Amino acid sequence: NAGVTQTPKFRVLKTGQSMTLLCAQDMNHEYMYWYRQDPGMGLRLIHYSVGEGTTAKGEVPDGYNVSRLKKQNFLLGLESAAPSQTSVYFCASSYSSRVLDIQYFGAGTRLSVL
Amino acid sequence: KNQVEQSPQSLIILEGKNCTLQCNYTVSPFSNLRWYKQDTGRGPVSLTIMTFSENTKSNRRYTATLDADTKQSSLHITASQLSDSASYICVVSAQSNYQLIWGAGTKLIIKP
Repeated sequence: NAGVTQTPKFRVLKTGQSMTLLCAQDMNHEYMYWYRQDPGMGLRLIHYSVGEGTTAKGEVPDGYNVSRLKKQNFLLGLESAAPSQTSVYFCASSYSSRVLDIQYFGAGTRLSVL
Repeated sequence: KNQVEQSPQSLIILEGKNCTLQCNYTVSPFSNLRWYKQDTGRGPVSLTIMTFSENTKSNRRYTATLDADTKQSSLHITASQLSDSASYICVVSAQSNYQLIWGAGTKLIIKP
């Protein structure tokens, strides 16, 4: 059982380049999330999705776009990368948004923007 | 402003010893409090979820406490093992799974 899989694991970009991070889950979860984790700070929600074809903004959405064309996949795009987007990105999923539902996380993508 | 603060930032203890990590929060409305364990280079993994009415919850050698009146929680680790070396993150939920307020974590190092 793979759970939540993120690709790639590492990436280095130059300022202005674009890229897409892929998240795939095999747990048939409705909800999916993208977070970023920076040193000394808690995880911050970028975007989330409550089901196939839907997306919503989180706490820090600027500079990112997302798509959820298939229930099992959630893509995070950076159209024009900036050094401030250097971070570790985590994807998570949960069965629903009920307050006691656990979020399951992928292993993360470490992104450096030069 | 909704905030979750954890202390200490880092902690080093010897294998076999106990330790307690602290979490203070100012989140309203409060729904539940979670503790996650994050190994280096990995994503967070849920240890426990506590609702308003729960004071104590145990998961193997981990015991979490919650005082909703003082808005404090603690995570006690008993008989620490090398595999307990990780960051422990306190997370408070406001109303739903996409309204989680994450603490910065306590980095715990267990030395042999």
